[in-house]
Amino acid sequence: ETGVTQTPRHLVMGMTNKKSLKCEQHLGHNAMYWYKQSAKKPLELMFVYSLEERVENNSVPSRFSPECPNSSHLFLHLHTLQPEDSALYLCASSQERATQAKNIQYFGAGTRLSVL
Amino acid sequence: GQNIDQPTEMTATEGAIVQINCTYQTSGFNGLFWYQQHAGEAPTFLSYNVLDGLEEKGRFSSFLSRSKGYSYLLLKELQMKDSASYLCAVRRGSGGGADGLTFGKGTHLIIQP
Repeated sequence: ETGVTQTPRHLVMGMTNKKSLKCEQHLGHNAMYWYKQSAKKPLELMFVYSLEERVENNSVPSRFSPECPNSSHLFLHLHTLQPEDSALYLCASSQERATQAKNIQYFGAGTRLSVL
Repeated sequence: GQNIDQPTEMTATEGAIVQINCTYQTSGFNGLFWYQQHAGEAPTFLSYNVLDGLEEKGRFSSFLSRSKGYSYLLLKELQMKDSASYLCAVRRGSGGGADGLTFGKGTHLIIQP
């Protein structure tokens, strides 16, 4: 148990559906992240939130829409996805400090998404 | 562009030692991380290097050479439960604030009896 919980663990959706992925962290952290992990490809950073403000958007298509209502919760809203968006979506959190320390990112177990 | 290379797969014997190498070429550098990921589970933090040299933590050690853009993860006294993927990641941020990590593709380590 890493202190970062993602739901659902598995999701199957059609290309016209709208769904949301949820992430909750119980570690008191102030930064949260979305990553995409596809087969035979490295984890790719999608979005970074620090103190509930988006600080990085890594050229992600607009069919992915993040939301961070508070420091403990992060959502990824999905609409009109493509089959190539099928992947494992991982959420992470960290405690960011003004002076750079380890700032270890703790990951959830991910949501396995299949787009039909 | 950003490039992090590590071997795709390695095989080792229970009780032995294995070294997993990682080379990186990134536009910035502010620390290198190693994570372990078992199939279907969350990546879990193993080690962190920001200065040159060796960091030791139990059966796991990690080494960094910033001038060579090179790191390795050393696993000793291998156990069957060490069969997993090992991910090398670089933080490129300039310091302070939240920074995403850039990952390699991961090394799938297979431990044989």
